[in-house]
Amino acid sequence: QVQLQESGPGLVKPSETLSLTCTVSGGSTSSYYWSWIRQPPGKGLEWIGYIYNSGSSNYNPSLKSRVTISGDTSKNQFSLKLRSVTAADTALYYCARNISPGRFAYDIWGQGTMVTVSP
Amino acid sequence: EIVMTQSPATLSVSPGERATLSCGASQSVSNSLAWYQQKPGQAPRLLIYGASTRATGIPARFTGSGSGTAFTLTISSLQSEDFAVYYCQQYNNWPPITFGQGTRLEIK
Repeated sequence: QVQLQESGPGLVKPSETLSLTCTVSGGSTSSYYWSWIRQPPGKGLEWIGYIYNSGSSNYNPSLKSRVTISGDTSKNQFSLKLRSVTAADTALYYCARNISPGRFAYDIWGQGTMVTVSP
Repeated sequence: EIVMTQSPATLSVSPGERATLSCGASQSVSNSLAWYQQKPGQAPRLLIYGASTRATGIPARFTGSGSGTAFTLTISSLQSEDFAVYYCQQYNNWPPITFGQGTRLEIK
């Protein structure tokens, strides 16, 4: 049973870099696509991007200039970095795995980690 | 970017009755459409993918239909645990993968 767990600081200052890690247990990160999705308080879901096989990545064009998603198969982890954050980046951040390669319906989610951007 | 529009924003239905939720895409997404259920304090739960395929463990009372630009999620005989927010999501044309704004299903 694959499980995902997000970790990282809950508070980030404006203009700084948000850094989160997703640890995968019960499976390997060497296949599937591993994604980050966020949800501002009281709002809907926004796809941030994915990494595949700790190599290729793809990002939401609206965030592309500020986002990097990377992977470490040796640690079974993948990470999100979001630079130059503002209050608009305050959200619950989820990591997720799609149901099968090339089919981006997400059947496995982490519990989410709340990140607040504030001085 | 494909815009997903869900209606209604809020749906009030009595337990035991049927609920019909709609999702529209700004351009065709073929059958690359998923539905999720989200309860307060929980991550979204995949219900349907491929527009009509139930995910593992999803009860048969959840039915997805549609293709192209118009989709429907039908929940027959609502149970108390079904009252939640529902999101549709397209994964045909990306980036970005996009979600609808959600439909809140509440008890009437």
